[in-house]
Amino acid sequence: DQQVKQNSPSLSVQEGRISILNCDYTNSMFDYFLWYKKYPAEGPTFLISISSIKDKNEDGRFTVFLNKSAKHLSLHIVPSQPGDSAVYFCAASVVRSSNTGKLIFGQGTTLQVKP
Amino acid sequence: DTAVSQTPKYLVTQMGNDKSIKCEQNLGHDTMYWYKQDSKKFLKIMFSYNNKELIINETVPNRFSPKSPDKAHLNLHINSLELGDSAVYFCASSLAGAHYNEQFFGPGTRLTVL
Repeated sequence: DQQVKQNSPSLSVQEGRISILNCDYTNSMFDYFLWYKKYPAEGPTFLISISSIKDKNEDGRFTVFLNKSAKHLSLHIVPSQPGDSAVYFCAASVVRSSNTGKLIFGQGTTLQVKP
Repeated sequence: DTAVSQTPKYLVTQMGNDKSIKCEQNLGHDTMYWYKQDSKKFLKIMFSYNNKELIINETVPNRFSPKSPDKAHLNLHINSLELGDSAVYFCASSLAGAHYNEQFFGPGTRLTVL
């Protein structure tokens, strides 16, 4: 029973265009969401997060949108750069009631940005 | 100046053997984690320690035993290895409280059980 799903295993975009990575979740108790980026042979690195009290969080070229009613979040990268080519993991956690740091990850989406 | 390091990076072993993976962080964090990334690429939490105290213990066979000698180290010992244990194991660390979720990951250990 996978509570966090990334239904697109891969995405290819042209340099300079927008990349949109999607993530769906099923557990309505989740109140904090994160995106991690992973290069081959390295561990995931934290990219951006959003609390469930917000619907948007922006950090430079990266913006995360949260639609609680649809249990859906997305990561927008504008403009996309070849160095953004990596696997992107969506993760969710329950923070307000009992924060233990337990993250539930999706299976990742491989982004390829073509020059 | 590696933040979270794991040894070894690759581990190939026979079924039935016992092996350990070591993890160390020099970030001054007080919480450490072990994750398993299986063949379907899902990253799943296995254990978490805060100041040497076990705080997350997911449904993991008791052949897996984490050991935290101090808050900078969290080792994973696996007894009687099985084929299904083949995976990439990631160690991570964070600060407790508000920063629990911004976890710093090690490079991973690829375990292959033959």
